[in-house]
Order: sequence, then structure tokens, then C-alpha cells
Amino acid sequence: AQKITQTQPGMFVQEKEAVTLDCTYDTSDPSYGLFWYKQPSSGEMIFLIYQGSYDQQNATEGRYSLNFQKARKSANLVISASQLGDSAMYFCAMREGVGGSYIPTFGRGTSLIVHP
Amino acid sequence: IAGITQAPTSQILAAGRRMTLRCTQDMRHNAMYWYRQDLGLGLRLIHYSNTAGTTGKGEVPDGYSVSRANTDDFPLTLASAVPSQTSVYFCASSQGPLTGELFFGEGSRLTVL
Repeated sequence: AQKITQTQPGMFVQEKEAVTLDCTYDTSDPSYGLFWYKQPSSGEMIFLIYQGSYDQQNATEGRYSLNFQKARKSANLVISASQLGDSAMYFCAMREGVGGSYIPTFGRGTSLIVHP
Repeated sequence: IAGITQAPTSQILAAGRRMTLRCTQDMRHNAMYWYRQDLGLGLRLIHYSNTAGTTGKGEVPDGYSVSRANTDDFPLTLASAVPSQTSVYFCASSQGPLTGELFFGEGSRLTVL
């Protein structure tokens, strides 16, 4: 079973609109962290936002927010006021303590295209 | 500029040859990782190291080996390259095994013919 599931291979959004990218995760570890990364066409991996499993508030970083629903094991990324430069691949990732290894696992990604 | 340096950025390699991808970080991070990225499969962990002197196997370790002799360097070796190892390889590091986000290198594009 996949640890991180991103069910949307591709998403389209109009410029200036908000978009939600889905991510669900699977873990039995009570202590874990969730990350989102952006990969533009140039290929580099850019860290966007982090949510710890014990954090009470949803994480926010500028136009990015993480809709963390612990009971549902979901960590959706919300991008507000989309910009053309937001067009990229987006990866959800989780770091959990599996026997002390703390391996970060990535989903397969969602391709976001922002239309003018 | 602080960060992670990978070399080479791109390489074409004949099957059966030995290849080492280099990764160096200057952030004094304890944890380091090697991922491969293939279309439609996301990033899959090959090997990791939570601290200098220790290494562990990830999801797809077969055909690869790593070493962590010091904090800064984490080379990935393909002992005898095969075409299925054609991929983009990313090295990453984090402050600790359970702390901080992952910082990534620019990636190394490897083609095995």
C-alpha cells in the first residue's frame, strides 16, 4: 500500500482562482511530519510548507496553506490566488519513524497548470 | 552559497560500467538521502543516512550502494549500470532524521545505454 496517495495526476486552474491539491497518507506512527514540494519545469525541488502531526493549527506560508485533517489522514495543499508561475509538479511527502529510520516518502505528484 | 552540490549534472553511461554520483552538503546536516525520479512514479528512496557512519536501505536499493564516511559527503555508486537505472537522481539532506525540511540538490540525469 502506498504511504502517500495523490489522486489527481493533473489539475487545471484559472489564474487568480484558488486550487486544492489532494494528499492522503497512511501511518500508524503517532509522530510524523507532512511536507509539500513544488517542482517547476526547470527540475529543482522547492520546499513549500510543513505540518507536524501534533500541530494544532493548519500550517500557512503566504499563499500556501495546508488543510490538515488528522482523523481522515489528509493533508491537502491549498494555493490561493493562483499565478502563472504556480504551474509545476507538486509532491506531498511524509516523514515517519518506522523503527527509528524516519524515512521521508513521496507521493507520485500532481501536475498543476494555471491558465491565464 | 550554502546548499547541496551534485555531480555530474548529466551523464551517459554504457551498460555494465561503474558510476559514482557525488553529493556534498555544507549545511552540517545529519541526515542525507538519495532518491530517483521516474515519470509517473514520483520520488523513490534508494538509500539514506541518518548520521555519519550509518546508512540504510530505502524502497529501491538493489544495484546501488552508498557510504557516509563524514557529515558532508554521501556518494551513490552503481556497481554495474543497467538501462533500468536511467533516471534523474536527487540527493537531499535535512538537519536531523526527524527535524527540518529536506533540501535538495539540482539532480543528476543519468542515461544508461
